Order: sequence, then structure tokens, then C-alpha cells
Amino acid sequence: QQQVKQSPQSLIVQKGGISIINCAYENTAFDYFPWYQQFPGKGPALLIAIRPDVSEKKEGRFTISFNKSAKQFSLHIMDSQPGDSATYFCAAESSGSARQLTFGSGTQLTVLP
Amino acid sequence: DGGITQSPKYLFRKEGQNVTLSCEQNLNHDAMYWYRQDPGQGLRLIYYSQIVNDFQKGDIAEGYSVSREKKESFPLTVTSAQKNPTAFYLCASSIIGTGLANYGYTFGSGTRLTVV
Repeated sequence: QQQVKQSPQSLIVQKGGISIINCAYENTAFDYFPWYQQFPGKGPALLIAIRPDVSEKKEGRFTISFNKSAKQFSLHIMDSQPGDSATYFCAAESSGSARQLTFGSGTQLTVLP
Repeated sequence: DGGITQSPKYLFRKEGQNVTLSCEQNLNHDAMYWYRQDPGQGLRLIYYSQIVNDFQKGDIAEGYSVSREKKESFPLTVTSAQKNPTAFYLCASSIIGTGLANYGYTFGSGTRLTVV
């Protein structure tokens, strides 16, 4: 079954702290792992993505860590800011299939000032 | 600017009415998708289309219908058979390529449908 399990469901972090969101997948054919950020009343927007040939990708304060053997990947937000408060979705895609993204259930992040 | 346009932003439906949500993209993307999002929940796939005049049911297609007469357009009709239609509806599009290229999805800004 193509599933992506995301945790935690909600996360509260103090300003300046590190936010960590975890995802696990089952389908070993997945070869693209994006993260989306969604603000209330808006559509999700691509934040950062990784392919399984690297173990880490960093863009500014956002880092994806990828563990292929454990079939897990995580999003780290360094120096979290109140403006980062949003819902974050992990996702996975297989280039060999219909290229349909499978989404995690989402994590609502609140960064306290 | 290229992107996806969803309209209207807010839509109110009376009991027993069919309503149609519009989704238009000028990204020249092959595939288009409709998702439903309920408060505090994830994205559930309603329908998707990878080519004009062809579309596939997603996980929660009952009570919904779509058409894909043009590459740029993928309207969603919420029929009276959908018993709990109040939700936030998101349209997305993507490239369908080959090889190692992955592009993810581009989402519209959503339509909030409320039954009154």
C-alpha cells in the first residue's frame, strides 16, 4: 500500500528553536520526496525536496534529512520564526508510475514569539 | 505570471444543488488534480487527469464529477449526491516527464465551499 506516515500531528516551538517533522514510507519505488508549506486559506507551496541519492539537503533554515535504509525522512527548521507557523506536508512520488504524489497527513506548526 | 487559478474563492451551495469549481492553468502542465481538505486534515484525492478527455477516480470520487476538454482546464462539479461537501478544495497540476526528473505539484489558492 502506498502510504506516507507523518508525525507529529501538531507541534509547538519557541521562537529560535528547532522544529522537526518526521515522515516514513513503505514503497521502495518512491524516488522523490518534497515538503509543502501551507498557510491558512492558501494552497500548499513547494518548500524543499530531496532525491534518495543524497542523505541531506539544506536550503536556508530548512533541511531535509533522508535515511534510505530506514525509509524515513524529516524536515528540520532551524531558528524557527513565528512566520513559519503553518501546516507542513511531506510527500513521496515514484518516477516509474503515474507520477502521483502520496501525501502525509500534515503537521500544524506553531512558533511562539 | 504562470500559475493555477481557482475560482471562486468562496462558494455557497444550497442543499440539492450542483456547483462547479473552476481550475485553469497556464503552465502547460499535462496532469491536473483535485483534492479535498477538511479542517485539520490532510489532502484527499478526488480525481486526476493526465491527458485531455481522460481522467481517473481518486480515493473519494463519490458525489463528484470532472471533465478535461482542454489541457488548461479541469473543472470539478460537486453534485447533490455528495452528502457532506463543506470543505476546502484544492486544484493542482504537474508535468509528466520521464527519466529522473521530478517536479512535484503546483497548487491553486483553493475554493472554500459551504453548504447553507
